[in-house]
Amino acid sequence: GAVVSQHPSWVICKSGTSVKIECRSLDFQATTMFWYRQFPKQSLMLMATSNEGSKATYEQGVEKDKFLINHASLTLSTLTVTSAHPEDSSFYICSALHSGSYYEQYFGPGTRLTVT
Amino acid sequence: GQQLNQSPQSMFIQEGEDVSMNCTSSSIFNTWLWYKQEPGEGPVLLIALYKAGELTSNGRLTAQFGITRKDSFLNISASIPSDVGIYFCAGIIYGQNFVFGPGTRLSVLP
Repeated sequence: GAVVSQHPSWVICKSGTSVKIECRSLDFQATTMFWYRQFPKQSLMLMATSNEGSKATYEQGVEKDKFLINHASLTLSTLTVTSAHPEDSSFYICSALHSGSYYEQYFGPGTRLTVT
Repeated sequence: GQQLNQSPQSMFIQEGEDVSMNCTSSSIFNTWLWYKQEPGEGPVLLIALYKAGELTSNGRLTAQFGITRKDSFLNISASIPSDVGIYFCAGIIYGQNFVFGPGTRLSVLP
């Protein structure tokens, strides 16, 4: 149980275009999901907290107009990188907070974004 | 804000050896989690600890919630090649976000 999927697993896009990444909790409901960014050989950097039915909470330094988050249902959150630039190239990982557990986050497999 | 330190940063061990790593902070945490991340994958939850002094096992893995609530330890016994990866600790203070450590990179030599 507690499986989280992400789609796509990798994407290459041109500078200036937008990319949407989906995060789904497959076998549990998640009122809260998180979006992280990870650079090579570094730890996870929290970008935003996504709550179902309400606006996401962004960490300091993360542009909310650039990284649009929508948590439309208890099993789906999406991250849209708008007007992507090469510096947005990174590994994006989502996680979902299992509503039935204490504070256990379950992570998706990640999405590798490359902006050319 | 809260910060976690992990030690060692990286380690190379022979297959069959036992491994110890730790996670420390100057802040008190309510919950400790240990994750393993393999290249190109998301982190996988290994062990969750909820009480000071708690010792929990998951197969060859054993983790402990430090008595001071400022640290946690992870041990892996009889390492095997598939133990390779980055091990992250995460601390939680109730009502606040998770804090992740920088990770310990483990390499297992056959």
